[in-house]
Amino acid sequence: AQRVTQPEKLLSVFKGAPVELKCNYSYSGSPELFWYVQYSRQRLQLLLRHISRESIKGFTADLNKGETSFHLKKPFAQEEDSAMYYCALKDISNFGNEKLTFGTGTRLTIIP
Amino acid sequence: ETGVTQSPTHLIKTRGQQVTLRCSSQSGHNTVSWYQQALGQGPQFIFQYYREEENGRGNFPPRFSGLQFPNYSSELNVNALELDDSALYLCASSLLAGSTDTQYFGPGTRLTVL
Repeated sequence: AQRVTQPEKLLSVFKGAPVELKCNYSYSGSPELFWYVQYSRQRLQLLLRHISRESIKGFTADLNKGETSFHLKKPFAQEEDSAMYYCALKDISNFGNEKLTFGTGTRLTIIP
Repeated sequence: ETGVTQSPTHLIKTRGQQVTLRCSSQSGHNTVSWYQQALGQGPQFIFQYYREEENGRGNFPPRFSGLQFPNYSSELNVNALELDDSALYLCASSLLAGSTDTQYFGPGTRLTVL
């Protein structure tokens, strides 16, 4: 069964310091990994996906199949990065299966 | 801001009752997924509908059922409510099942079962 683990429920980082939110997954097929973010009083929204290989709001994430990890990183934290972050996995090996498996989330707080 | 809307925003029911939650997908999106998010947890997949047919289901009992309509709206029905059904229910729409298209989430309906 597919599983996503986010080991940190809470993470506090000073403004300007580097940020790393950890995500590990277990899945035997070909997963697609995502990071979703939920800012205060806003809906869940996609931050980035591994197949896009892009940087969004300064965040990047690299899929490491050997370590089964998809950690989210940003070199310099900004106050507006404070939010709830969810790592999610989608099975793309079966057509029609859009199931997303989410981790429990990490609440990131940027200290001014 | 996405076009996915959900109603109602909040709902209070008692154990044993039935509830219907509604979702209006983004225009043109023919896939809708429903998730349950308990307090302090990530969203959990309930089921997905594609072109008005169920297209995948998570570990939820049959008393959780759904409908999808041609006008991009959908419903989640829960019968015989239990206290553990108290949660935020999210719907998410996407363009094409099985693609790598993004799922766009609604704001959720918070259900409280007393």
